[in-house]
Amino acid sequence: DAEITQSPRHKITETGRQVTLACHQTWNHNNMFWYRQDLGHGLRLIHYSYGVQDTNKGEVSDGYSVSRSNTEDLPLTLESAASSQTSVYFCASSEEDSYTDTQYFGPGTRLTVL
Amino acid sequence: KNQVEQSPQSLIILEGKNCTLQCNYTVSPFSNLRWYKQDTGRGPVSLTIMTFSENTKSNGRYTATLDADTKQSSLHITASQLSDSASYICVVSASAAGNKLTFGGGTRVLVKP
Repeated sequence: DAEITQSPRHKITETGRQVTLACHQTWNHNNMFWYRQDLGHGLRLIHYSYGVQDTNKGEVSDGYSVSRSNTEDLPLTLESAASSQTSVYFCASSEEDSYTDTQYFGPGTRLTVL
Repeated sequence: KNQVEQSPQSLIILEGKNCTLQCNYTVSPFSNLRWYKQDTGRGPVSLTIMTFSENTKSNGRYTATLDADTKQSSLHITASQLSDSASYICVVSASAAGNKLTFGGGTRVLVKP
């Protein structure tokens, strides 16, 4: 069955370190997204991609970067981790335009920055 | 600023009872509204999606309604089960703003036996 996976599921790191969170989907979806989820906030979009070599900034992109070298993967990199980036991160994918097509979410990565 | 407000923030219901969750939004222009279910420690899973012309949609024991004039939606859970314990998230899409989904903060539902 097609799926979307994230790794690691839990990560503890120190302030200033570079961290990369992996996202892999086997739906063959063109669209992929990264969100963060914090208490008191709804899911907020970090970056998204509509296809290979395409990346776009979301509403909370500062301190994060992504690259899309193939259809299946969209890794999220925290260039220099900060305590404010402690959060649960979700990756999602969808087949076409997200206005009408459902996004399928991964299980999430809980990141703690000490 | 586009916003999605959900109420209540949390509720406790007894197994077998019904409940209704509310969602008010100020997203404009409007493309569609979705309800997601998120179990603890998991990613959200889509329950329903409604466009402007739809005012009700069901998925098993879940029924969503949409009033585009008042910018309100509700999610009704019928004959609740223990497995309905989760957070329910209302998500509104703006039609002319690129990939713009505005997420509500969710309603946490706890079903007790």
